[in-house]
Amino acid sequence: AQSVTQPDIHITVSEGASLELRCNYSYGATPYLFWYVQSPGQGLQLLLKYFSGDTLVQGIKGFEAEFKRSQSSFNLRKPSVHWSDAAEYFCAVGLGAGTALIFGKGTTLSVSS
Amino acid sequence: GAVVSQHPSRVICKSGTSVKIECRSLDFQATTMFWYRQFPKKSLMLMATSNEGSKATYEQGVEKDKFLINHASLTLSTLTVTSAHPEDSSFYICSAREAASASNEQFFGPGTRLTVL
Repeated sequence: AQSVTQPDIHITVSEGASLELRCNYSYGATPYLFWYVQSPGQGLQLLLKYFSGDTLVQGIKGFEAEFKRSQSSFNLRKPSVHWSDAAEYFCAVGLGAGTALIFGKGTTLSVSS
Repeated sequence: GAVVSQHPSRVICKSGTSVKIECRSLDFQATTMFWYRQFPKKSLMLMATSNEGSKATYEQGVEKDKFLINHASLTLSTLTVTSAHPEDSSFYICSAREAASASNEQFFGPGTRLTVL
């Protein structure tokens, strides 16, 4: 069955440090790939998405993600984390146009000063 | 553009009552809407896929008689939790896919927090 794995349940980084959140998926073809962020009690905000083309995609709030087909990965990165980035991050895949998204279990990001 | 709203944002009800949650696409037409449920500190789990003008498709383990979904127009889908019980307390999120879109991008509503006493 198709699945999305976010290996890190909780990550703490210092403010100003770089960040990488991991995401791996299990699917035969290249799916649609998404990263969302969720603040406590809030809905989901799309950070970035990959459908095709350039494998390095830029998103909002200074985030970027790189699709690596050979590793079935779509890791999220940010060069310098801000305290306001503390939130829950979800990786999601879509297997085809019109299908629901499959979400990873999420990674909680804490930012220390 | 591409805004999805949900109403209400929070609702508290007594056990045994029914609660209706609305999901609206404000500036686009959505042939397909999805309903997800999120437990505290958990991921989003798909409950059902709602297609305009047809019956919803429910995921395995989701009681269709308990979670009634109606998608009567291209901009509105409703989820009714019937005879709610405390275990139905959760965060319910809808998403909508634009009718004209060839991609898989969906736009999410802000969610509805349901608390059943």
